[in-house]
Amino acid sequence: DTGVSQDPRHKITKRGQNVTFRCDPISEHNRLYWYRQTLGQGPEFLTYFQNEAQLEKSRLLSDRFSAERPKGSFSTLEIQRTEQGDSAMYLCASSHGQGNTEAFFGQGTRLTVV
Amino acid sequence: DQQVKQNSPSLSVQEGRISILNCDYTNSMFDYFLWYKKYPAEGPTFLISISSIKDKNEDGRFTVFLNKSAKHLSLHIVPSQPGDSAVYFCAAAGYMEYGNKLVFGAGTILRVKS
Repeated sequence: DTGVSQDPRHKITKRGQNVTFRCDPISEHNRLYWYRQTLGQGPEFLTYFQNEAQLEKSRLLSDRFSAERPKGSFSTLEIQRTEQGDSAMYLCASSHGQGNTEAFFGQGTRLTVV
Repeated sequence: DQQVKQNSPSLSVQEGRISILNCDYTNSMFDYFLWYKKYPAEGPTFLISISSIKDKNEDGRFTVFLNKSAKHLSLHIVPSQPGDSAVYFCAAAGYMEYGNKLVFGAGTILRVKS
């Protein structure tokens, strides 16, 4: 399977705990994106990597959120001191090349903060 | 501010008929538009895209039309099949301004009745 892979698929955590999600993009893709989706809404952009460089962060990404892509391959998204409002589907996507190309999404990590 | 709007939360169509899903955008810097399909508990799946230099793109049963002057695009599915029942998201990107990140609408739930 050469699609975008996300782990875990589901995470239930208590408020105040830290969580970390992993994304493995399609191997030849140099662009990697994180999005968040809540019920009844479309995915919202969080952050974007070109290889290992984090080039853009949304205002949605508070200082409790941090993302890394250390070797330009897989990426992690960490949420510190989780709050109930962080409950959402976290989606990773990747794309390749220059210019406009479609992004391919993973199946997402469903986070529930209780 | 919602830069991409899908004003119809849901659409119901008889099998074999045409499904038309609509999308409006406000930002004239968008130059690439995509449609994604999403089943419950899965990530969005890319369907079809169109660049702003075109006004129509076809792929099998799916056709996307772009009216730049009206800042409007639509997805036509002909003939509609029960397996097309899903949430459809319209997304827009502007490479030079946004690094190819996607801005999504809220989605339209399509139900195809057999």
